[in-house]
Amino acid sequence: EIVLTQSPGTLSLSPGERATLSCRASQNIRNNYLAWYQQKPGQAPRVLICDASSRVTGIPDRFSGSGSGTDFTLTISRLEPEDFAVYYCQQSGSSPWTFGQGTKVEIK
Amino acid sequence: QLVESGGGLVLPGGSLRLSCAASGFTFSSYWMTWVRQAPGKGLEWVANIHQEGSEIRYVDSVKGRFTISRDNAKNSLYLQMNSLRAEDTAVYYCARWSWAMDVWGQGTTVTVSS
Repeated sequence: EIVLTQSPGTLSLSPGERATLSCRASQNIRNNYLAWYQQKPGQAPRVLICDASSRVTGIPDRFSGSGSGTDFTLTISRLEPEDFAVYYCQQSGSSPWTFGQGTKVEIK
Repeated sequence: QLVESGGGLVLPGGSLRLSCAASGFTFSSYWMTWVRQAPGKGLEWVANIHQEGSEIRYVDSVKGRFTISRDNAKNSLYLQMNSLRAEDTAVYYCARWSWAMDVWGQGTTVTVSS
């Protein structure tokens, strides 16, 4: 099983600042099948990025994904008020599919 | 759109069947998946199923107890949950798979408690 470790656990930032979220895998993720999701309280998750770096249709371009192999990053270039949420990475390169434990981006 | 139903309160050892009704897309063209989230916790993938049901996978913790299935004629996904445990308490989401889980339902809550 591939374990995904996200860091930091909580990120305290102000609107307009840049957010950098990390996701590290315990082994290489086949074909970089890694996605990023955003979840707000009481809501279902929403996919932002697939295949490590492909932004999903409709997602603002301030969200970007990068990385390969075992190290991946989600960057939010300038935080908007609606971006404060919990973010999860998830791999589908091998079964069982797994999620990271999440990074909470909170208002400083 | 995906709409889950069938959640509720069940005794340990009991059973529930969750349903997920799909609309607005060609259901039979997509892998489908179930994901759960325990209260205050993160997301956990539970199971997924191939477009025609020919390939199915489960997380180890539910193998032998849960069964995922689909009925493409009814545009519906199911999760039969048997021998339920307290640790199965969670919001259960169904999601469409297209290189990521790109469409999600609103979730249905399962509570396993005496």
